Amino acid sequence: GAGVSQSPSNKVTEKGKDVELRCDPISGHTALYWYRQSLGQGLEFLIYFQGNSAPDKSGLPSDRFSAERTGGSVSTLTIQRTQQEDSAVYLCASSFFGNTEAFFGQGTRLTVV
Amino acid sequence: QQQVKQSPQSLIVQKGGISIINCAYENTAFDYFPWYQQFPGKGPALLIAIRPDVSEKKEGRFTISFNKSAKQFSLHIMDSQPGDSATYFCAARVENNNDMRFGAGTRLTVKP
Repeated sequence: GAGVSQSPSNKVTEKGKDVELRCDPISGHTALYWYRQSLGQGLEFLIYFQGNSAPDKSGLPSDRFSAERTGGSVSTLTIQRTQQEDSAVYLCASSFFGNTEAFFGQGTRLTVV
Repeated sequence: QQQVKQSPQSLIVQKGGISIINCAYENTAFDYFPWYQQFPGKGPALLIAIRPDVSEKKEGRFTISFNKSAKQFSLHIMDSQPGDSATYFCAARVENNNDMRFGAGTRLTVKP
């Protein structure tokens, strides 16, 4: 597709389970971001990938959160031992390196019950 | 520490009116200030952006006003329409830096 694609759109999981969220960035975009949007809150930066450089993980809230980007394209955000406070919309964005406009996917709404 | 403060949290405007959303930042190294528009169930989309070398940028009905000395910038939506009803986020970023900081968002409702 032409835009950033995220899957699944919605995920309901039980507390304590692990979840994986997927992001397919726009083809050719070397920069990829993950953000978290909680109800009524702004966008919280989680992690940033740029090409083959070491990712900027400074926004990850705990060691239960991790992310990978394989082959410089698809990215997976993994949350281990989910907690209710992890419930939020997780947004992925991509951009060309050096280009300041980031294009967002539609997000994955995660609900931990 | 919230680096970008946005207000109001919600805004209701009559059709044809002017919507004004304000943001203030702390980090003087920020040099790129975008506004994003988000409709329910969608990801945010870039609406308009400004760099601090200009005090105003206008695109159609949307205008950003920028006050570098006060470290404030605002979005003005002229002749607001019901289709403008959405959540608006201001953001700030240091060029070539990974971390774009977002405001908390403003939910705009334009009544017909």
